[in-house]
Amino acid sequence: GQNIDQPTEMTATEGAIVQINCTYQTSGFNGLFWYQQHAGEAPTFLSYNVLDGLEEKGRFSSFLSRSKGYSYLLLKELQMKDSASYLCAVLDSNYQLIWGAGTKLIIKP
Amino acid sequence: GAGVSQSPSNKVTEKGKDVELRCDPISGHTALYWYRQSLGQGLEFLIYFQGNSAPDKSGLPSDRFSAERTGGSVSTLTIQRTQQEDSAVYLCASSLRNTQYFGPGTRLTVL
Repeated sequence: GQNIDQPTEMTATEGAIVQINCTYQTSGFNGLFWYQQHAGEAPTFLSYNVLDGLEEKGRFSSFLSRSKGYSYLLLKELQMKDSASYLCAVLDSNYQLIWGAGTKLIIKP
Repeated sequence: GAGVSQSPSNKVTEKGKDVELRCDPISGHTALYWYRQSLGQGLEFLIYFQGNSAPDKSGLPSDRFSAERTGGSVSTLTIQRTQQEDSAVYLCASSLRNTQYFGPGTRLTVL
């Protein structure tokens, strides 16, 4: 079957750095997405990786290793507003998006 | 430009009633997706449209659920004879290529 694994919950301190990991086993691979979802709101697109390596976008970076079936989302200079769930999703060989359950990130002052 | 819109934003209904949820995708987006999200849970895929056809209906939880899309644009998700376990947020997303953009969702409460 297809599977996306990410930690259920993480806690970090304001101003610090946090890395949220995602491992996947899917039928084929056509890219990996990270979305942010604040409580009571819809998910919003953060990043898309299809090639190995690091993609940087401001305070957020996303890394992909296709050979290891692994990605991480790196958040720098954490702000209280970064408290949210972070969803990892993989586009499989049928171009269907397989979603992880999400990682709830709690930021403490 | 305008994003994905959904209506109503909130719907409270009685058990056994039918409900219709509407999704207006981003103009020009050919693919449209419906998801369900229960409180504190991940996204549950329901159905996907490419144009007006639905190649993947595998996620519909029962035959009480149906969806249609007309004119390659607006989509309606219908739940017949609602049950309390249908209570959730129903999210719609659209895409042109691979990136899905979500609407604000409809929060359905079945009493």
